[in-house]
Amino acid sequence: SAVISQKPSRDICQRGTSLTIQCQVDSQVTMMFWYRQQPGQSLTLIATANQGSEATYESGFVIDKFPISRPNLTFSTLTVSNMSPEDSSIYLCSVETRIQETQYFGPGTRLLVL
Amino acid sequence: GESVGLHLPTLSVQEGDNSIINCAYSNSASDYFIWYKQESGKGPQFIIDIRSNMDKRQGQRVTVLLNKTVKHLSLQIAATQPGDSAVYFCAEKEWLSQGAQKLVFGQGTRLTINP
Repeated sequence: SAVISQKPSRDICQRGTSLTIQCQVDSQVTMMFWYRQQPGQSLTLIATANQGSEATYESGFVIDKFPISRPNLTFSTLTVSNMSPEDSSIYLCSVETRIQETQYFGPGTRLLVL
Repeated sequence: GESVGLHLPTLSVQEGDNSIINCAYSNSASDYFIWYKQESGKGPQFIIDIRSNMDKRQGQRVTVLLNKTVKHLSLQIAATQPGDSAVYFCAEKEWLSQGAQKLVFGQGTRLTINP
C-alpha cells in the first residue's frame, strides 16, 4: 500500500484564521480524498481532489470554506478557512490507486480551534 | 439517503476470545465493502475487504462475512489480543454520477479487549 504523510500532525488555531494541511504520497495515485472526523464520530467525505481541475465537493461542503489543490499525482492540500470552534476535527487524506480499489488513509491532522 | 450503520457502539471481550462486529447497510447496489481499524491518535487502517460476489473472506485472524439478502456485514476477530482494542468501521463503496465512487462509513464500534 502507499505510504501517506500529512502535515501538520496537529495544530491549535485561533478562530478567524486559516490552516493549510498537506498530504504527500510516496507513489503516484489515481484518486485523493479529504475526510473530516469530528470528535467521537465517523468519517465524512469533504471532497475528491482532482489533479489539474477543481475538486468535487460533497453536499454541505463548499470551496470557499475548504479550498483544495492537487498540483500533481502525489500531493494535495486542504485549507480550512475562517475557522470556528466547530471546525475542530481530525482531517484525513486518503488515496486510491489504479491497481487496488481500497482507500488507504494518512495519519490525520488534529485541529483544535479556540 | 442510504447509509451504513452499526448495531453496537461498544463491545468488550476477554483476551483470547473471539469477537464479532456487525454492520448493516442499506444500499443494495453497493458491490464492495471494507473494514477499517482506527487506533487512538491514528488514521484508519485497512483490515480486509470483500466484493459482493463473495459471502466470506478470510485474512490473518479476521474473517468478513457478507449476507446480501439481509444487507449485513460482519467482522470476526479470532483469539483477540490487547492490540485489537480500537474502533472498527465498516465502509461501502457508493457509485456517484459520472462513474465516480465514494466511501460511506458506518458509525463505528469501539472494541475493548479485557486482560
